[in-house]
Amino acid sequence: EDQVTQSPEALRLQEGESSSLNCSYTVSGLRGLFWYRQDPGKGPEFLFTLYSAGEEKEKERLKATLTKKESFLHITAPKPEDSATYLCAVHINQAGTALIFGKGTTLSVSS
Amino acid sequence: NAGVTQTPKFRILKIGQSMTLQCAQDMNHNYMYWYRQDPGMGLKLIYYSVGAGITDKGEVPNGYNVSRSTTEDFPLRLELAAPSQTSVYFCASSYFSGGPGDTQYFGPGTRLTVL
Repeated sequence: EDQVTQSPEALRLQEGESSSLNCSYTVSGLRGLFWYRQDPGKGPEFLFTLYSAGEEKEKERLKATLTKKESFLHITAPKPEDSATYLCAVHINQAGTALIFGKGTTLSVSS
Repeated sequence: NAGVTQTPKFRILKIGQSMTLQCAQDMNHNYMYWYRQDPGMGLKLIYYSVGAGITDKGEVPNGYNVSRSTTEDFPLRLELAAPSQTSVYFCASSYFSGGPGDTQYFGPGTRLTVL
């Protein structure tokens, strides 16, 4: 069965304290792995797509990496405005299928 | 571009009532999706459409219906609302190019409560 597991469920950081969020997946064929950010009461906002093992992408304080079994979202020197729920999702090798989402990691950054 | 828009933002229904959640996109995307998000759970696919006139069931379709008469609109119909349908509903769209991993863009959501 295709599934996506995110850890930890919740993470509390001090401003400037770097850390990583994990997304492990077991799927039959990966077309792409997606990271989204979701603020309370809002829809998921696209951050990154990763397609193959070894690929990395960066945006401001965020860096996403991908291996054959998992992806990491590294947050460097976070700020309070980085507080949100981060969702990981995979797109598998079937045309027309939707994303399979993990349950998310809720990040809280305090000043 | 407005992107993906959804109406209403909030709604309270009584058990047995019906309603339609509206979704529209102005990005000329061919694929559209409906998800529901329950507390502590990942988003689950309800229905999707690969183009006007073509729809298919997702993981949790029971109690819902969809139609897609135009590229832009993809309404979700709830018949005989039940408390189990209390959730936040998200519409999404993407452009299927045949390449790897087409990005889905999400609307702001509709928060539905069934009492």
